[in-house]
Order: sequence, then structure tokens, then C-alpha cells
Amino acid sequence: NAGVTQTPKFRILKIGQSMTLQCTQDMNHNYMYWYRQDPGMGLKLIYYSVGAGITDKGEVPNGYNVSRSTTEDFPLRLELAAPSQTSVYFCASIYSAGLGGTEAFFGQGTRLTVV
Amino acid sequence: GEDVEQSLFLSVREGDSSVINCTYTDSSSTYLYWYKQEPGAGLQLLTYIFSNMDMKQDQRLTVLLNKKDKHLSLRIADTQTGDSAIYFCAEKGEDSNYQLIWGAGTKLIIKP
Repeated sequence: NAGVTQTPKFRILKIGQSMTLQCTQDMNHNYMYWYRQDPGMGLKLIYYSVGAGITDKGEVPNGYNVSRSTTEDFPLRLELAAPSQTSVYFCASIYSAGLGGTEAFFGQGTRLTVV
Repeated sequence: GEDVEQSLFLSVREGDSSVINCTYTDSSSTYLYWYKQEPGAGLQLLTYIFSNMDMKQDQRLTVLLNKKDKHLSLRIADTQTGDSAIYFCAEKGEDSNYQLIWGAGTKLIIKP
């Protein structure tokens, strides 16, 4: 049971380059999230999805795009990388069963540096 | 918007109890969570408490909730070196669509 898998684990980008952070979950979870984690700032929600074909902006969506063509995959796209996007990115998923006390499962994170 | 606040660091001696505190602003919080992040890893759920409870105990972990003061704490009894990690407090409101509001995390440092 793999859970939530993120790739790559590390990446260095030059300003203006593009990349896609991959996220896959094999738990048939309907809710998926992308967060960024900056030192001393906690987790900030970038985008989320409540199911295949549905995505919505979180708190800090600028500079990012997402898609959710399948239940399993939720890639995050950076089109024109900027130094402000240097961060650790986490993908997470939740199974929505109408109960509030549900567990979020996290990937191991992607450490991105933009130079 | 809603906010969750935590101290950034806590240092305790091995064998002592650790108490990590969290305050939140959302008066409609339904669930409050404690997640643990070990170095180089993602976050893992430690425990959670429903907003109509004031205490929850799970082995070495005790969660206390003061809903009036919007204060949540996590007590770890007999702290071990394996408890070294960052502990995140998070809350879920009534209409949050499963979005959680996260604290900045408290780094627990264990002294021998």
C-alpha cells in the first residue's frame, strides 16, 4: 500500500523554467490538496480538488496550476518559476465519508529551489 | 481569515513531559488535530479531538481542549528521543470543505 507518492523529492530550477510536481494516491481518496511549507509559516494551501475533474484555488494559488483528470493523480504545475516559489511542497489526500475526524495522508514532500 | 498559532520551539529533558500549546480563532471549529513531522518526511496524524470534548488520552498522549479560550494542548508523557519532531496543530471549521487551517509547527527538542 503506497499511500501518497510525490515526485521528485528534490529539484533545482532556474528562474523562468517550468516543471510539474507529480502526486499519486492509491487509496481511492476523493479529496486531494497541494500545500507549500515555508519555515515558521506552517502549511499554506495552494490548490485542492474534491474529485476528478474538479479543482479549486486555495490560499496561495498564484503562479501555480493543477489538474485532476483521474481520482489517483493531482499534478501541480509551475509555469514560470520565481525565487518566491522556493519551498517544500506537500501533496495530501483525504477520504471524505461525511465525518469530520478524518485523517489526511501526506506525501514525503518535494524540496524545490529556484535560483 | 482564521488563524492557528503555536510557539516555534520547545526544549525538554528526556523523560520529562512535553506540553505543546496551540491557540486558534475559528469559533466554528469542529475538529482539532495534532500532526507530527519527522525530518525529511511528510506529516502524520497523531491524534484529533472533536470540539465537544475537553480531553482525549491515547497512551502517552493527552489532548486538552479549552473551547472557551480556543486553546488546545498536546502533552507527551515520558518524552523520548524518538519524539523529536515538528508538531503541527490544525483545525477544521464547519464549512471548510475538509480544508484544514494549520499552525506554523512547534519543533520539539529533546535534551539528554
